[in-house]
Amino acid sequence: KNEVEQSPQNLTAQEGEFITINCSYSVGISALHWLQQHPGGGIVSLFMLSSGKKKHGRLIATINIQEKHSSLHITASHPRDSAVYICAVDGNKLVFGAGTILRVKS
Amino acid sequence: KAGVTQTPRYLIKTRGQQVTLSCSPISGHRSVSWYQQTPGQGLQFLFEYFSETQRNKGNFPGRFSGRQFSNSRSEMNVSTLELGDSALYLCASSGGTGGESGELFFGEGSRLTVL
Repeated sequence: KNEVEQSPQNLTAQEGEFITINCSYSVGISALHWLQQHPGGGIVSLFMLSSGKKKHGRLIATINIQEKHSSLHITASHPRDSAVYICAVDGNKLVFGAGTILRVKS
Repeated sequence: KAGVTQTPRYLIKTRGQQVTLSCSPISGHRSVSWYQQTPGQGLQFLFEYFSETQRNKGNFPGRFSGRQFSNSRSEMNVSTLELGDSALYLCASSGGTGGESGELFFGEGSRLTVL
C-alpha cells in the first residue's frame, strides 16, 4: 500500500461543477501540500496545511489529522483549472501521491 | 522577486556519462530540495539541503548526489548515467526553517534524456 493515496485518478467535469479531490496517507506528518501542474508546465504550490481549512479564491483545502485525510475542493470549476493536482505529505521527507488528472469541459 | 531558476532546461547525455544540474533559489530562501519526476514513478524526493547541510535524503542510489553553497544555490550530480535516469528533475526552494518544508516554490525543471 502506498503511503499516499489520491482519488480519483482521473476526473472530467463540466464547467461550473463543484470538484473534490481526496488524499489519504498512512504516515505521521507535520504538513500536507496540494500542488498543481499544468501540461508541460511547472508545479505551483496551492496550499500547505497542518490543520483545519484554508481558502484561496475558488479553492478550498481541508485536513483531518486524526483521520489522516485531506480534500481539495474547487468551486465553480473552469476549463483553466484543467491540470494535474498532487498531494504531498511532509514527514521527515516529502512523499507524493500519484496525482489526479482533472479536465474541465466548457 | 525572481523565482527559482534551474539550468540547463534540457540536456541529452549518453549512458555512463555524468551530469550536473543547478538550482538558484528565491532570494532569502535557505532550503532547497530536489525531486525526480517520471511517467512511471511520478514525483520522488531526492534530497533536501538547508544552510549547506543535507537535511534529508530519498531512496536513490549513491550515484545521485548534491550540495548547497553558501549563497544557497544548489547543484545535483548524477554519475554513471543509466537509461532509467531520464526524467524531469525539479528543484524547489522554501523559506521554511526547523523540521518542516514550508511553502514550496518550484523551478521549471531540467529535462534529462539519457541515450
